[in-house]
Amino acid sequence: AAGVIQSPRHLIKEKRETATLKCYPIPRHDTVYWYQQGPGQDPQFLISFYEKMQSDKGSIPDRFSAQQFSDYHSELNMSSLELGDSALYFCASSLRGMRGTSYEQYFGPGTRLTVT
Amino acid sequence: KQEVTQIPAALSVPEGENLVLNCSFTDSAIYNLQWFRQDPGKGLTSLLLIQSSQREQTSGRLNASLDKSSGRSTLYIAASQPGDSATYLCAVAGVNSGGYQKVTFGTGTKLQVIP
Repeated sequence: AAGVIQSPRHLIKEKRETATLKCYPIPRHDTVYWYQQGPGQDPQFLISFYEKMQSDKGSIPDRFSAQQFSDYHSELNMSSLELGDSALYFCASSLRGMRGTSYEQYFGPGTRLTVT
Repeated sequence: KQEVTQIPAALSVPEGENLVLNCSFTDSAIYNLQWFRQDPGKGLTSLLLIQSSQREQTSGRLNASLDKSSGRSTLYIAASQPGDSATYLCAVAGVNSGGYQKVTFGTGTKLQVIP
């Protein structure tokens, strides 16, 4: 079965550079979520999109932005990178379903970003 | 704000033992709870998903239970094997301000199974 695809899998950037992470959801999934997992920490929710509109926002720095495109893939843009941005970035997708219903989020393999 | 805590933070057991991992959450208004496994530096592998209306789910040697009213879930691993060594995360799907699902991860339990 198709899974969530993230690219690149690994990325090395220098401080103050920019980075773009991509996420391709499972076919027919209309909702995308981004998470950041620092070393030794649990994943923290950053932002989510449904039908190209931001549906929820978590602890996403102002230096980061994201969007969802018409084909439902999403991109996380990170500018003025700092050493503390080094982390594993996960994307997840789901069917949004009806409001008040439960649905499973499927996680991608993650992109490991290293800022030097 | 939902807070998810996992106890213990780390656990070391000899091979063959049965063990229980605990997850507690502060807001019982949840949609579902999911257990994940994560190997060092790797992604999240979904183990079990329990809907809020369910009491437990089983998959092979794994059994997860959910007591929504008390804000607790347990993951039971039978006959542990060295290959079970990993960090186990519980993730609680609660409700955001728009009434839709929002996932909060627990702090994780790092398990080591000694041959």
